[in-house]
Amino acid sequence: KNEVEQSPQNLTAQEGEFITINCSYSVGISALHWLQQHPGGGIVSLFMLSSGKKKHGRLIATINIQEKHSSLHITASHPRDSAVYICAVVGVRDSGGSNYKLTFGKGTLLTVNP
Amino acid sequence: KAGVTQTPRYLIKTRGQQVTLSCSPISGHRSVSWYQQTPGQGLQFLFEYFSETQRNKGNFPGRFSGRQFSNSRSEMNVSTLELGDSALYLCASSLAGPRGGNTIYFGEGSWLTVV
Repeated sequence: KNEVEQSPQNLTAQEGEFITINCSYSVGISALHWLQQHPGGGIVSLFMLSSGKKKHGRLIATINIQEKHSSLHITASHPRDSAVYICAVVGVRDSGGSNYKLTFGKGTLLTVNP
Repeated sequence: KAGVTQTPRYLIKTRGQQVTLSCSPISGHRSVSWYQQTPGQGLQFLFEYFSETQRNKGNFPGRFSGRQFSNSRSEMNVSTLELGDSALYLCASSLAGPRGGNTIYFGEGSWLTVV
């Protein structure tokens, strides 16, 4: 079982719909990142969370540390939101020392149709 | 300010050869990390450097190595290339690393094809 699980793997929506992408993880974490990757490879960091909720424009990210779960919401989705959304976690400091390693989910391919 | 710059963007190598990829972080960023992305495995962590010191290494064979220079620029090297090393190699920089309150900034990546 992967340390980071995302759902759904693929999501198709109509323009204007409310989108939710989920991320569950099995390890203790110090931070969780939501990333966006467009075709061609470039990755953009959307949010970095260690607790609570963050909002940026139409994007909202939440995290529940106790339940080891995070969600990314897109309100009023638009075709330009079509991309792969990736959840990544940074584990807590382990007995071997510092942990600066990102562990990634497999990503969610979002397609928003006009 | 300039973003994270990776060179070369595209390259083709033959099995058995070695390759060096370069990453120039955002000015002022001291943490540089490297990732491999393949269709089958997704994104995987290779290593992370801060002030010329490797702080973490992923589960990759010793053929994969890296270093960071005093100006924070970083290189990664893959020796004795295998077909399975064909991938997008991404570099990311941040002020102090991907944990805590640090936003990470990715480069456009280097597409490596091994034939």
